[in-house]
Parts: sequence; structure tokens; C-alpha cells
Amino acid sequence: EADIYQTPRYLVIGTGKKITLECSQTMGHDKMYWYQQDPGMELHLIHYSYGVNSTEKGDLSSESTVSRIRTEHFPLTLESARPSHTSQYLCASMGHYYEQYFGPGTRLTVT
Amino acid sequence: AQSVAQPEDQVNVAEGNPLTVKCTYSVSGNPYLFWYVQYPNRGLQFLLKYITGDNLVKGSYGFEAEFNKSQTSFHLKKPSALVSDSALYFCAVRDSNAGNNRKLIWGLGTSLAVNP
Repeated sequence: EADIYQTPRYLVIGTGKKITLECSQTMGHDKMYWYQQDPGMELHLIHYSYGVNSTEKGDLSSESTVSRIRTEHFPLTLESARPSHTSQYLCASMGHYYEQYFGPGTRLTVT
Repeated sequence: AQSVAQPEDQVNVAEGNPLTVKCTYSVSGNPYLFWYVQYPNRGLQFLLKYITGDNLVKGSYGFEAEFNKSQTSFHLKKPSALVSDSALYFCAVRDSNAGNNRKLIWGLGTSLAVNP
């Protein structure tokens, strides 16, 4: 498996809390992505970055924000979590031939 | 519009039988095509890709895929299915629109169940 890491793997948190989902990769890839996925369902792109200080919103509107201060690090933040944010969040980076490598995901439950 | 279709939500196959998971695409230009597998509570794992060259691409875990330009298809195959192949499979194609070509367009996924 590729060297891309996500923490935490599982998170249960109350409504209104601020959370940051961590994603890091050691492959030196410039392009990184965040997807949201409900169990067994399709992937929705919520954020992406083509390099340091570059971030864009994806195809699915999301109340989360991202930052890219270092190549290897692409954290996602929710300022005020709500039950509607309950989902799995997948981080990925893109290799030379446009293949994406995924982390193990963070399963978020907001109560 | 560019798109990827996986026409079957679920595929059931007996262990030891060959399996096929279907994928068709619509993009302009030469397609870059990918297959991924997702096991429960895991991220997606890259299986194989087609960029150019031989239409039959071999990948991980004994899987292969056949690129058919005239039918715009990229079906995933395995000669002999294992129970452990039961998972969710995603097909993807590189977005060829200028400015978007560093994103992938994803199919909705196909759930494969291999019965003992």
C-alpha cells in the first residue's frame, strides 16, 4: 500500500465541536484530494490541492476547509460539527500517471 | 459530458468461476482508466490502470482489465474468483477537460459478492 496516512481512524464527537482530520503522505506528491463517502456509496470530491498554498473546492459543497502549508500535509477542518457531517472522509494523493493513492480513511460520527 | 458508468450495482459469482465487473466511459481524447477496490472500513486500493499500449492490462491480486476503444469499455476480469475478492469496486477515468485533468471521474461502484 501507498504511504499515505490519516488520523484519527475513528472519531465520535458532539455537535458544535471543532475538529481537524489529518492527512499526510511521504511520496512527495503535489496533488492531494479529500473525498466524502457514505458507507458503500459513491465518492464525492470535496477539496483538492495542486501544491503548496493551492486549495480548491470540489464538486460537492462542503462546510469544511483545508490548508496546504507543506507538500506532505493536507488537513481538513470542520469549525462546527453537525450530525449531517457524519460520514467517511478519504484522503488521496496523485502519482505520476494520474493514479490516486488513498489513506485508510476517517470515519466520523457527530452526535 | 464526461462520465463513467458501472451498469451493475451488484455482481454475484460462485467461487472458482470467472468474474467480470463492467465499466464504460465517455471522455474526449485518449482515456486514462483505473480500477480500485475497497474492502469494508478501508480506503480504496489501486488495482490497475490503462494509459496506452496493450489493451489487456494486468494488475494486483490476479485481476486484469480489457480496454475496448470502439465500445468505450474497460471491464475488470478475473479468471477464478475467491471469496476474499468480495468488496466494492470502482472504475475511474481522468477528466480530460483542460484545467480539470488532474481530477478523476468516478463510477458509482459495483458490489461484488463471491459465494463459497
